[in-house]
Amino acid sequence: DTGVSQDPRHKITKRGQNVTFRCDPISEHNRLYWYRQTLGQGPEFLTYFQNEAQLEKSRLLSDRFSAERPKGSFSTLEIQRTEQGDSAMYLCAGTGYGSPLHFGNGTRLTVT
Amino acid sequence: QKEVEQNSGPLSVPEGAIASLNCTYSDRGSQSFFWYRQYSGKSPELIMFIYSNGDKEDGRFTAQLNKASQYVSLLIRDSQPSDSATYLCAVNRRGGTASKLTFGTGTRLQVTL
Repeated sequence: DTGVSQDPRHKITKRGQNVTFRCDPISEHNRLYWYRQTLGQGPEFLTYFQNEAQLEKSRLLSDRFSAERPKGSFSTLEIQRTEQGDSAMYLCAGTGYGSPLHFGNGTRLTVT
Repeated sequence: QKEVEQNSGPLSVPEGAIASLNCTYSDRGSQSFFWYRQYSGKSPELIMFIYSNGDKEDGRFTAQLNKASQYVSLLIRDSQPSDSATYLCAVNRRGGTASKLTFGTGTRLQVTL
């Protein structure tokens, strides 16, 4: 158990709908990362936070995607106007100083 | 050229044998190297990380790093059916354990009875 919780585990939505995912790291995780993994591929970096500050965003993170980490604790990832190409596993990972990246269980999104 | 390359497999080894998983990377600035195991439908689980040239052993797992050849490998001794999974290689350019990782596509390992 990495201590990183993600909710929901699975989400099925219709194209055009908005979805929001939540990630709860442990208190020691001052850094929080979002990755996306499609079938047959490795995880791809989306964005990361150090405490509440969003320090880097991938060009994969289009304008339809937004992430927040208010108060430096839990984080949310919202996708607006979902497209079928958004179907993937969305992975959250937390880490503290000197520790490697540990992933949560992920949220599997299916856009129909 | 992909930043991190792995043979997709499947790599099939008999139970009890040594499985050798390989990974090459393109950025000479890469400083930290990680192996994750991923079971079907699950999230990646960290197995090992290595920073320095040479070998690092942890139980049945050995990570090997050769920065001059830009090559990192994972050996699994006494392979068990429970080792059957996809193994992801990841690299970190900036050094240190916690930073943005670039992953390969993974190698699927099958351990046969």
